[in-house]
Amino acid sequence: GQQVMQIPQYQHVQEGEDFTTYCNSSTTLSNIQWYKQRPGGHPVFLIQLVKSGEVKKQKRLTFQFGEAKKNSSLHITATQTTDVGTYFCAGPDGFNKFYFGSGTKLNVKP
Amino acid sequence: DSGVTQTPKHLITATGQRVTLRCSPRSGDLSVYWYQQSLDQGLQFLIHYYNGEERAKGNILERFSAQQFPDLHSELNLSSLELGDSALYFCASSPLGGNTGELFFGEGSRLTVL
Repeated sequence: GQQVMQIPQYQHVQEGEDFTTYCNSSTTLSNIQWYKQRPGGHPVFLIQLVKSGEVKKQKRLTFQFGEAKKNSSLHITATQTTDVGTYFCAGPDGFNKFYFGSGTKLNVKP
Repeated sequence: DSGVTQTPKHLITATGQRVTLRCSPRSGDLSVYWYQQSLDQGLQFLIHYYNGEERAKGNILERFSAQQFPDLHSELNLSSLELGDSALYFCASSPLGGNTGELFFGEGSRLTVL
């Protein structure tokens, strides 16, 4: 079955440093989504990417979808303490199953 | 507030027992997904319902079952509970049937099995 892997598992950064998390799927994805889960909270949708090679920006966040539509990345520029949380990528397997990656837990030290 | 309601928020029970978790999706959303999140782990896909019908099953144990009712709310039944079933169970809803579109998550039901 489909597997969605994320690296790194944990990332500790100093406030102001950049952060990147990578997502890799064993199969081609029709789309990929990114979610953020704050400590003690529930996942909240950030964005969906659909096109091969697509790049989308939300303020300090930049999302990319690979050319082969099997990998994606989320880059945060100049992290802030409000960025703390776990970032998940998620993608469908084409059979109505929506798989989430293992997540990257980001800790930002002030 | 995502508009997805899950009850109960917390539940403590003993091994061997049975519990029912309830989810009310956002108004108008036809899809309901259930996920299990163990401590500091990822989200494991359990099952997906669309407009009352089961659409897809993940790694859901045989001791677990779910259904979606005509009013679109969903219930996840967990029986013969084991210690390892302790986890946060999330329900998410979507207006669409499957492979695309934002999932709106509830706040989760935290199950502790003692």
